[in-house]
Amino acid sequence: GQQLNQSPQSMFIQEGEDVSMNCTSSSIFNTWLWYKQDPGEGPVLLIALYKAGELTSNGRLTAQFGITRKDSFLNISASIPSDVGIYFCAGDSYNAGNNRKLIWGLGTSLAVNP
Amino acid sequence: DGGITQSPKYLFRKEGQNVTLSCEQNLNHDAMYWYRQDPGQGLRLIYYSQIVNDFQKGDIAEGYSVSREKKESFPLTVTSAQKNPTAFYLCASSRLNTGELFFGEGSRLTVL
Repeated sequence: GQQLNQSPQSMFIQEGEDVSMNCTSSSIFNTWLWYKQDPGEGPVLLIALYKAGELTSNGRLTAQFGITRKDSFLNISASIPSDVGIYFCAGDSYNAGNNRKLIWGLGTSLAVNP
Repeated sequence: DGGITQSPKYLFRKEGQNVTLSCEQNLNHDAMYWYRQDPGQGLRLIYYSQIVNDFQKGDIAEGYSVSREKKESFPLTVTSAQKNPTAFYLCASSRLNTGELFFGEGSRLTVL
């Protein structure tokens, strides 16, 4: 199946540093979503973006829906140990009347050194 | 509290045995999904359902079966035809026409 290009694949940072990750696609999406998965748990939705150019924040997290609708980035400011986990991007190309499913990136694994 | 519950969390089975994983949600969501997660491969869609008594194959449906007899329940059976069933299985639900999924805690299946 189709997948998004998510980078970097993994990151190891010091507590307090800022983090940036992104996803790109050859296809246009109507929605971009960012999820976080803690070890051994299911993913949890962090941010959903619905409009090209949209910039949305959720606490220390900021995400943007690229103007071309083919990319998105997620920034985490002032990282803390509980930010550890795998971050997934997902694109949704739903159009009314069509069956749809999410297209997922392979994830960015984040490790934070206290 | 509303949520989505998967059981069991850990399951061991011998090769050749069918296994059924349970998924129940009380969020009143119409759509439910099963994903498989292997290390480094992200989330791969097995089956999804948008309405009771109807479901569609995802990208890797071979060797799996599902049913949707009730809105709240979407069990997944891993059959003996699945060649490499050891994996982490995730169930999710959502309202229709949205990518905002709510996931369960996952079921880790190990086939010996």
